[in-house]
Amino acid sequence: EADIYQTPRYLVIGTGKKITLECSQTMGHDKMYWYQQDPGMELHLIHYSYGVNSTEKGDLSSESTVSRIRTEHFPLTLESARPSHTSQYLCASSELTEGSGYTFGSGTRLTVV
Amino acid sequence: GQNIDQPTEMTATEGAIVQINCTYQTSGFNGLFWYQQHAGEAPTFLSYNVLDGLEEKGRFSSFLSRSKGYSYLLLKELQMKDSASYLCAVRDPGTGFQKLVFGTGTRLLVSP
Repeated sequence: EADIYQTPRYLVIGTGKKITLECSQTMGHDKMYWYQQDPGMELHLIHYSYGVNSTEKGDLSSESTVSRIRTEHFPLTLESARPSHTSQYLCASSELTEGSGYTFGSGTRLTVV
Repeated sequence: GQNIDQPTEMTATEGAIVQINCTYQTSGFNGLFWYQQHAGEAPTFLSYNVLDGLEEKGRFSSFLSRSKGYSYLLLKELQMKDSASYLCAVRDPGTGFQKLVFGTGTRLLVSP
């Protein structure tokens, strides 16, 4: 079944550690996105990609980086985690053709202690 | 830029009907989406409008008026499981409509 997967679902990590949040989709979508969302707050776009080797920064400044080497894979990396990075990270993909919106992954809830 | 306004919070009773409004101001328009997001979970797609009028999907309907920059989501026969945030989103004309811009969401609480 075509879907979008994020791992890990939950992560607690110490300050200063390097982490990579994984996102993979099996729908062949060109466009992929990373959002950051604090509990009860709005979605903030931090990175997006229109295809392989294409990445752009989003509306919210972020210390994370992304890569898009394969269509189906869009990992997000934090080189040195800080408590201010504690949040939920949502990955989405889309064709954004007529009538098609985003499909979201189930998210990674990150806690930096 | 784009601006999307939704009420922050609404309450309703099980079995009732509730209308969640969304107004938007964009330099261009190419479709409006509604998403449902339960606490701690990812948003899920509910509806899409690109032409004026009402789109009905079971208990949920969505209306669009492009001239007024206005949409609403109508939920009928409310159930407890409808307690969630409802996000209005439009395509971003600044990126050739390749991204969605989300409102802050309306938190709906359904009580017995």
